[in-house]
Amino acid sequence: DAKTTQPNSMESNEEEPVHLPCNHSTISGTDYIHWYRQLPSQGPEYVIHGLTSNVNNRMASLAIAEDRKSSTLILHRATLRDAAVYYCILESYNTDKLIFGTGTRLQVFP
Amino acid sequence: DGGITQSPKYLFRKEGQNVTLSCEQNLNHDAMYWYRQDPGQGLRLIYYSQIVNDFQKGDIAEGYSVSREKKESFPLTVTSAQKNPTAFYLCASSTGGAGANVLTFGAGSRLTVL
Repeated sequence: DAKTTQPNSMESNEEEPVHLPCNHSTISGTDYIHWYRQLPSQGPEYVIHGLTSNVNNRMASLAIAEDRKSSTLILHRATLRDAAVYYCILESYNTDKLIFGTGTRLQVFP
Repeated sequence: DGGITQSPKYLFRKEGQNVTLSCEQNLNHDAMYWYRQDPGQGLRLIYYSQIVNDFQKGDIAEGYSVSREKKESFPLTVTSAQKNPTAFYLCASSTGGAGANVLTFGAGSRLTVL
């Protein structure tokens, strides 16, 4: 299973944009890139996913590097409710497995 | 409302006892998963099932067992063979199959061994 690398923690001020990086240098051509987030004592929540092109939804944007070896989750205006652990995950096309790493803990300050 | 229900939310167990955690979904999803999470750690895959009557071991299956007799149900048994069972257990489901596989998670079950 391909592996992702994320910073352990990041900080942001409220209403500022946040760019959460993820490296996945061993990604294969058919692996999807997923992002989930988890609030304390809750199950993870789906945020966004992509394959090759950048993606936008109501929660965030996903920017994927041209060589697909890295990606960035963009929260356009951080709120206090965005404070969570964010996981970047690769999904192999051939299996239904999603393997989570340790994620990035995002702190948002008022 | 469609979703995943895990029960119980909190469970205490004495050493040497087996316990079963329930996971039910009404999303008509084919695939279901069990993850374990220890404090300050990420999620680790225990078992997953892509279809009824079939399941595969994840990365940490030892000391656990599952069944998938019905599409909507995927119970996890934590056996006495699991050396460190105290953890937060998360069940998830997805449509499965080809293409991106978006998981929907339950609220989790917190197991404490006394």
